[in-house]
Amino acid sequence: GAVVSQHPSWVICKSGTSVKIECRSLDFQATTMFWYRQFPKQSLMLMATSNEGSKATYEQGVEKDKFLINHASLTLSTLTVTSAHPEDSSFYICSARVQERINEQYFGPGTRLTVT
Amino acid sequence: GENVEQHPSTLSVQEGDSAVIKCTYSDSASNYFPWYKQELGKGPQLIIDIRSNVGEKKDQRIAVTLNKTAKHFSLHITETQPEDSAVYFCAASNRNAGKSTFGDGTTLTVKP
Repeated sequence: GAVVSQHPSWVICKSGTSVKIECRSLDFQATTMFWYRQFPKQSLMLMATSNEGSKATYEQGVEKDKFLINHASLTLSTLTVTSAHPEDSSFYICSARVQERINEQYFGPGTRLTVT
Repeated sequence: GENVEQHPSTLSVQEGDSAVIKCTYSDSASNYFPWYKQELGKGPQLIIDIRSNVGEKKDQRIAVTLNKTAKHFSLHITETQPEDSAVYFCAASNRNAGKSTFGDGTTLTVKP
């Protein structure tokens, strides 16, 4: 149980375009999902907390107009990187919190974004 | 807010030896302490966790200990195998914070 999927697993896009990444909890309901960014050999950097049916809460320094987050259902959250630039290239990982066990987070496999 | 420090940043052991990774936290309200294993190019995987009402938890070759007074917790891996090689992250959270704070990670290398 507690499986989280992400799609796509990797994506290459050109500068100026937008990219959408999906995060799904496959076998449980997740009222809260988190989006992280990870640079090589570094820890997880929390970008935003996404709650079903409400606006996401962004961490300081994260541009909410650039990283659009939508959490439309209890099993799906999306991250859209708008007007992507090469510096947005990174490994993006989502996690979902098990509704009944409030602290526990389960991570997706990550999405490698490369902006050319 | 919460601050989590993790040591060491890198750890190399011989196959069959034990490995210990330590974390300290600052917020006494933290009550949930998970450990994650991340292999190259993959997302972190929860391997074991402990809550503040327990001092130790074991699952086969891995165990976690928690000292609430000293605000530190440790991951112990016994009889290490090459497939244990990965980056390990500790984290701390509490119900009110709404999010977890992660350590910087430990790169464990198990030499065959």
